[in-house]
Amino acid sequence: KNEVEQSPQNLTAQEGEFITINCSYSVGISALHWLQQHPGGGIVSLFMLSSGKKKHGRLIATINIQEKHSSLHITASHPRDSAVYICAARLTNTGNQFYFGTGTSLTVIP
Amino acid sequence: KAGVTQTPRYLIKTRGQQVTLSCSPISGHRSVSWYQQTPGQGLQFLFEYFSETQRNKGNFPGRFSGRQFSNSRSEMNVSTLELGDSALYLCASFIGPADTQYFGPGTRLTVL
Repeated sequence: KNEVEQSPQNLTAQEGEFITINCSYSVGISALHWLQQHPGGGIVSLFMLSSGKKKHGRLIATINIQEKHSSLHITASHPRDSAVYICAARLTNTGNQFYFGTGTSLTVIP
Repeated sequence: KAGVTQTPRYLIKTRGQQVTLSCSPISGHRSVSWYQQTPGQGLQFLFEYFSETQRNKGNFPGRFSGRQFSNSRSEMNVSTLELGDSALYLCASFIGPADTQYFGPGTRLTVL
């Protein structure tokens, strides 16, 4: 069983749709990160959360510590949002090592 | 401010050889993490360093080692390369564990 579970694995959306990607984890965490990876490999850190909610442009990330769950939302999706989105959590029972979800491959169709 | 630099960007080695990869963090960042990414296993944590001290190590065999220098530059070494070591190796730099990580472009290693 993966310590960090992510869903869905693949997602296709029409331009303008509201998108949600989910991440759940099984033990306590000190921080959760959302990463974006475009074809070609480059990774950009979108958010780092330890509680609550953060917003940057059309992206919103939320975390519920009690339910061990985080979501990444994209409002008014655009083809340039097409990428792989990965959640990563620092698990406290591992000395704060990073564990990664398997990623969500998002394709936004014009 | 310059970003995270990784060298080389591409590398081809044969089984049994060893390889050293280099990472130069963003100026002022004293923490560096290394990750391996493969199609089968996804992203996996290798090591984390802060001020020349290894703070954390992932579940990789002893063939994988790393170090950080006083100027915060870091290297990782893989000895006795295996075909399964073919991967994208990513380095990230950050100020501290509670801060955003900035990723380098990666080194793509192919083992033949």
